[in-house]
Amino acid sequence: AQSVTQPDIHITVSEGASLELRCNYSYGATPYLFWYVQSPGQGLQLLLKYFSGDTLVQGIKGFEAEFKRSQSSFNLRKPSVHWSDAAEYFCAVGAGNQFYFGTGTSLTVIP
Amino acid sequence: DTGVSQDPRHKITKRGQNVTFRCDPISEHNRLYWYRQTLGQGPEFLTYFQNEAQLEKSRLLSDRFSAERPKGSFSTLEIQRTEQGDSAMYLCASSPRQGWDEQFFGPGTRLTVL
Repeated sequence: AQSVTQPDIHITVSEGASLELRCNYSYGATPYLFWYVQSPGQGLQLLLKYFSGDTLVQGIKGFEAEFKRSQSSFNLRKPSVHWSDAAEYFCAVGAGNQFYFGTGTSLTVIP
Repeated sequence: DTGVSQDPRHKITKRGQNVTFRCDPISEHNRLYWYRQTLGQGPEFLTYFQNEAQLEKSRLLSDRFSAERPKGSFSTLEIQRTEQGDSAMYLCASSPRQGWDEQFFGPGTRLTVL
């Protein structure tokens, strides 16, 4: 069965530090891959997506993600975190006629 | 505001009652999706429409759930004989193209079943 795994439930980083959020998926073919962010009281917003081509994709707010087929991973990165990045981050996969979200990683940013 | 809108934003009901939620997608978006999100979890896919056609239903969508998009514009999600386990945030999203692409999410309807 298809699935999306985000192994880190909660991550705390200092403002200005680098960030990496992990995402692994289980699907026979290369799925459509996404990262969404959900801030308190806000709707889900797309950060970036990968369909094909260059495996390093750039998104909004300075985020990037790298697709690694051999590891079935699509990890999200940011070189320098801002306090406003504190939110819930969801990896998501479009596969066949279904769409799957991971359970999310909650990011806390400390000054 | 031309984003996805959902109505109501909050609904409190008693177990056994029927509830209906409405979603208005972004104008001219062909695809419309429904999700359910419980506390501490990611959204769970329920169903989606391409124009007025319902193309896929998750096994999560029991017989008590029904969704419609009669004219390919707004959509409704009805839950019959609500149960306490139905308490969740119900999210609607729309996208302009076929295939999996960016989805624009509404603010959600929070359902509480007493």
